[in-house]
Amino acid sequence: DIQLTQSPSFLSASVGDRVTITCRASQGISTYLAWYQQKPGKAPKLLIYAASTLQSGVPSRFSGSGSGTEFTLTISTLQPEDFASYYCQQLNDYPRTFGQGTKVEIK
Amino acid sequence: EVQLVESGGGLIQPGGSLRLSCAASGFIFSSYSMNWVRQAPGKGLEWISYISSSSGTIYYADSVKGRFTISRDNAKNSLYLQMNSLRDEDTAVYYCARELVRYCSSGSCSFFDSWGQGTLVTVSS
Repeated sequence: DIQLTQSPSFLSASVGDRVTITCRASQGISTYLAWYQQKPGKAPKLLIYAASTLQSGVPSRFSGSGSGTEFTLTISTLQPEDFASYYCQQLNDYPRTFGQGTKVEIK
Repeated sequence: EVQLVESGGGLIQPGGSLRLSCAASGFIFSSYSMNWVRQAPGKGLEWISYISSSSGTIYYADSVKGRFTISRDNAKNSLYLQMNSLRDEDTAVYYCARELVRYCSSGSCSFFDSWGQGTLVTVSS
């Protein structure tokens, strides 16, 4: 199985900060990676697919990059509504594994 | 508008069985592959099962293989998860998720674009 390791697991930041979350895959997955945002008590929401393609309706302050084994999700200017948990997911193979998550909290 | 609504969760004793349903609307259900994803309390997301649009291809996570069965009824726009031999560690919110496939620079890529609100399954004596 392909393992995904996110870092950091927890991040404390302020409104207006630039935030970067990393997702490392245990083997190459090309660009078959998606990022999701989840707020407490809610279902995950797709942000980015194919490593760098912004889902329709998602603000442009979110961006993704990477290929192979290393990927990043960047929030250029953190907004109050961005405080949430973020998960990467590989869609290169089954099982469709997720990273363990990164919780972004208010500093 | 795409809508996915899960139902069937509840409190069940270890060793028991439960059947979850996911009612789909707002899109042509028979054209899309579907998945089940779960989240234990305070934990991360765990993919557990996939079914293709025609039910011809099915996958399971090792953690549920042999105990859970995914199925769908395209005439009823519904996805199901039959859960048998339930264990304490199956306690989680269970989400159904639609899988979308698009052409990307690296070929055809897929992702989960729509999710239900989830249904809570609690396994406890």
